[in-house]
Amino acid sequence: GDSVTQMEGPVTLSEEAFLTINCTYTATGYPSLFWYVQYPGEGLQLLLKATKADDKGSNKGFEATYRKETTSFHLEKGSVQVSDSAVYFCALRGSPGSARQLTFGSGTQLTVLP
Amino acid sequence: EAGVAQSPRYKIIEKRQSVAFWCNPISGHATLYWYQQILGQGPKLLIQFQNNGVVDDSQLPKDRFSAERLKGVDSTLKIQPAKLEDSAVYLCASRMTSGGAADTQYFGPGTRLTVL
Repeated sequence: GDSVTQMEGPVTLSEEAFLTINCTYTATGYPSLFWYVQYPGEGLQLLLKATKADDKGSNKGFEATYRKETTSFHLEKGSVQVSDSAVYFCALRGSPGSARQLTFGSGTQLTVLP
Repeated sequence: EAGVAQSPRYKIIEKRQSVAFWCNPISGHATLYWYQQILGQGPKLLIQFQNNGVVDDSQLPKDRFSAERLKGVDSTLKIQPAKLEDSAVYLCASRMTSGGAADTQYFGPGTRLTVL
């Protein structure tokens, strides 16, 4: 079945540091890929998504590129802020004809220090 | 646009008691999901509805969990009787069925359940 493997945390960075959170997936066909963010005490919010190979999703300075050859969707940000402290989840939605539920990774806790 | 609403936000019960959670999805979203998120893990799908019909409940522990969406809008998830391992955050999500944003699920704030 579909699965998502996410870089384990927690990750602690200083403000303005470069962020990478690794995400790889296993799925048949061409799934859609997502990054969700969960701020303390809140529900999950969609951060960005990509629906086909080589697509780049971007939002709020975060980027991730759908790499089918390496089955990866790594999240990056050039300069993190204290307000980016949250838990980040990588997820996939199966391609048409497969189970189309969202499958999540285990999450990566990011703490940004001033 | 109002988001997905859930209540209560927090619930503490003793094992073997019953509990119910309520979800009101975004207006016009035909698809509704319930997820269980155990501390330190990603959300796991429990059940998916399309309007008032069940699409997928393969991961719902049906001996103790039940869910309904009688009028195709609000939904209720019930646990009876609760076990210690049911302590988790229960998330409701909804999405459009068609259109450009149909791939995106919108999540509510969740209900944090503690079973003592």
